[in-house]
Amino acid sequence: KQEVTQIPAALSVPEGENLVLNCSFTDSAIYNLQWFRQDPGKGLTSLLLIQSSQREQTSGRLNASLDKSSGRSTLYIAASQPGDSATYLCAATGFQKLVFGTGTRLLVSP
Amino acid sequence: ETGVTQSPTHLIKTRGQQVTLRCSSQSGHNTVSWYQQALGQGPQFIFQYYREEENGRGNFPPRFSGLQFPNYSSELNVNALELDDSALYLCASSSRGQGGSLGGEQYFGPGTRLTVT
Repeated sequence: KQEVTQIPAALSVPEGENLVLNCSFTDSAIYNLQWFRQDPGKGLTSLLLIQSSQREQTSGRLNASLDKSSGRSTLYIAASQPGDSATYLCAATGFQKLVFGTGTRLLVSP
Repeated sequence: ETGVTQSPTHLIKTRGQQVTLRCSSQSGHNTVSWYQQALGQGPQFIFQYYREEENGRGNFPPRFSGLQFPNYSSELNVNALELDDSALYLCASSSRGQGGSLGGEQYFGPGTRLTVT
């Protein structure tokens, strides 16, 4: 049974800092790993998807890496901004479903 | 290309009642999945529909049921509502990948917030 863990549960940083969010999963037989952003009370916005054959993906200030053998993924956010404040969720994709972590709640203060 | 839409946005029901939530898939997608997200938790997989048939189910009782229509829109029905059913319900649409797997990107709707009193 796939289990996904995210560390830290919450993070508070001043604007401009670079930061790393961590995601670990127990079953390496995944099709891909997705990172999502969720604003309070809202749905999920897909940020990055890394296929199982890939090592990393980049979009703007975001970079996500995947190491299947160790069951880890990281989301790197460069030069954080107050608008980045949200909950970040990672999800490991199995044959039929996504298994989510409980998220990292990020607060970027001006 | 329209995104995934869900209705209603918010809903308040009484324990024991029944509720129907609706989801319209993104254009070109043939698979719809439903997730339940309790406050402070990650989404939990309820079930998935592919070509109008249930194609996988999470650890949810039979009072959670669904439908998928020929236009790939979907409904989630919950009977005999319980207080613990209060949550954000999310649907996600996608296309089946290689070998029928869920290998493609999942696109989520804005969710329906259900409150059971």
